[in-house]
Amino acid sequence: QKEVEQDPGPLSVPEGAIVSLNCTYSNSAFQYFMWYRQYSRKGPELLMYTYSSGNKEDGRFTAQVDKSSKYISLFIRDSQPSDSATYLCALWPQDSGTSYGKLTFGQGTILTVHP
Amino acid sequence: EAGVTQFPSHSVIEKGQTVTLRCDPISGHDNLYWYRRVMGKEIKFLLHFVKESKQDESGMPNNRFLAERTGGTYSTLKVQPAELEDSGVYFCASSQERSYEQYFGPGTRLTVT
Repeated sequence: QKEVEQDPGPLSVPEGAIVSLNCTYSNSAFQYFMWYRQYSRKGPELLMYTYSSGNKEDGRFTAQVDKSSKYISLFIRDSQPSDSATYLCALWPQDSGTSYGKLTFGQGTILTVHP
Repeated sequence: EAGVTQFPSHSVIEKGQTVTLRCDPISGHDNLYWYRRVMGKEIKFLLHFVKESKQDESGMPNNRFLAERTGGTYSTLKVQPAELEDSGVYFCASSQERSYEQYFGPGTRLTVT
């Protein structure tokens, strides 16, 4: 079983739609929950991170963490064609004593927002 | 401020050859990480440097992979001899001391034929 499960999609939505991207994880030791965005032929770019359960909002993006269910989500409101990219969840750290800084990634969801 | 840079952007080599990938982290970042993504799989951790010391190399696949970080600045990842299954995109990332914000380079796409 993978440590982090993420539906690879692809996900295609019309411009203006609300997008929901999700990951589940199995190890309750994960402390920080990140969302990265990766455009084609580029490196991952940190979008948002959360530490505790609950919601965190940044513009059109909302990150949600439910530690009791080991479930994290990223919502994109009013999606734009420029949001078309691969979205990766990443969790950190699993064991701060021996692997400080090691990110564990989901497989990534390919999102296309069409005009 | 310059971001993380990686060289080359793409490398095609034959099985059995040697390849060296280079990463230049953001200036002042003590932490440097190598990750790899093989086709159809998730990005996986390879190793972590703190300055010039290897903090964690638990993700290195085998002893054909050798990573170094000279003087705590740039890092190289050498694959010798390369095998077909080493094909993938190799990412480097860096972060400040005790920070969870890792900044990624554009990656090196390695193709072993």
